[in-house]
Amino acid sequence: DAGVIQSPRHEVTEMGQEVTLRCKPISGHDYLFWYRQTMMRGLELLIYFNNNVPIDDSGMPEDRFSAKMPNASFSTLKIQPSEPRDSAVYFCASSHNLASTDTQYFGPGTRLTVL
Amino acid sequence: QKEVEQDPGPLSVPEGAIVSLNCTYSNSAFQYFMWYRQYSRKGPELLMYTYSSGNKEDGRFTAQVDKSSKYISLFIRDSQPSDSATYLCAMTTGGGSNYKLTFGKGTLLTVNP
Repeated sequence: DAGVIQSPRHEVTEMGQEVTLRCKPISGHDYLFWYRQTMMRGLELLIYFNNNVPIDDSGMPEDRFSAKMPNASFSTLKIQPSEPRDSAVYFCASSHNLASTDTQYFGPGTRLTVL
Repeated sequence: QKEVEQDPGPLSVPEGAIVSLNCTYSNSAFQYFMWYRQYSRKGPELLMYTYSSGNKEDGRFTAQVDKSSKYISLFIRDSQPSDSATYLCAMTTGGGSNYKLTFGKGTLLTVNP
């Protein structure tokens, strides 16, 4: 398996522009997670899906952020409009289930810079 | 007080040294404790997983949990340059909140040949 795939790997945009980050989870995994990592706040969970349905979006910072999972093999995280404080590395992760022994597998991340 | 505190380092050691990485936490409900390793420009990967208190050993790595002190440690024996990475502790309460991993900010480790 290729692991969790994210695109693009790097994104530089200007304030006010729309940004779309993409994720392909590991085949057969029922759970998908979006995280954001910054020096100041560390790694934070934004939202997670179970079988393509959003379950907990309490970590989404504000209405400018939205996430979708139209099918089991694809998810997007959209920021509209983007702001400089959104600059961070965004990770997608997937897992089989939520058992305490289950592992979340992380993708390589998308490094977002908003100028 | 933050839920999980981790010294960011950086920590620089010579090859072969014993490395000790630590986290403290405030939520006594945490029961499952993990260590993730994150190489530069990569995503975190699970290194060790421990339930409740006690020790767990895997090769050169030992994870230790002291719930009475709310303190967890990761020891690396005979450290190698390939161990150079950021190490993040993570923990969860378990049960229905298993998905909600609370991470430390990570400690940057460099092992010098």
